[in-house]
Amino acid sequence: DTAVSQTPKYLVTQMGNDKSIKCEQNLGHDTMYWYKQDSKKFLKIMFSYNNKELIINETVPNRFSPKSPDKAHLNLHINSLELGDSAVYFCASSQEQGHDEQFFGPGTRLTVL
Amino acid sequence: GENVEQHPSTLSVQEGDSAVIKCTYSDSASNYFPWYKQELGKGPQLIIDIRSNVGEKKDQRIAVTLNKTAKHFSLHITETQPEDSAVYFCAASIGGSQGNLIFGKGTKLSVKP
Repeated sequence: DTAVSQTPKYLVTQMGNDKSIKCEQNLGHDTMYWYKQDSKKFLKIMFSYNNKELIINETVPNRFSPKSPDKAHLNLHINSLELGDSAVYFCASSQEQGHDEQFFGPGTRLTVL
Repeated sequence: GENVEQHPSTLSVQEGDSAVIKCTYSDSASNYFPWYKQELGKGPQLIIDIRSNVGEKKDQRIAVTLNKTAKHFSLHITETQPEDSAVYFCAASIGGSQGNLIFGKGTKLSVKP
């Protein structure tokens, strides 16, 4: 009965490839997020969606494209992967935007070679 | 832009001692201040939060204090145990109802038996 799940847990790929990370939440929340955590553990918001609508898009390269087919899913597609994209990516969800507890997934460690 | 400063970046205490982590924020409109604990290889998990209409909140060995005038808030852990060892993040809400959380850079707490 995992609340927020992500697949895959580990992703190793070559520069220039395109990859996707999937996220699903079974909490019935309206808002979902993607965060990037770099090697120094800094957690930075990338995107947030509320009821399948994009709310926040921080200064993320347009190689990153989130897709929300329904309220329970927010997938992250990355084109033309670069070395600097190597990080741990966390999906999260909350009932309300910004002022509510966020439930994080277990993370996806992306390594670009 | 808005930011959250967190100190110290690392903290080492003996089992049974208290630990204090401090954060300051810049957005005077911030009204929600959660604290997250991240264990190795896992996603951050909420341990306590406080809203701007409250000055202090306690949950067993964990307490959070908020000083809105000075724009700072602190996490206090008493009677620390080895299982408290983790990275702790403070966060503050920004941007109103369509906003998000800004996270501090984290504090790595080590509790020595």
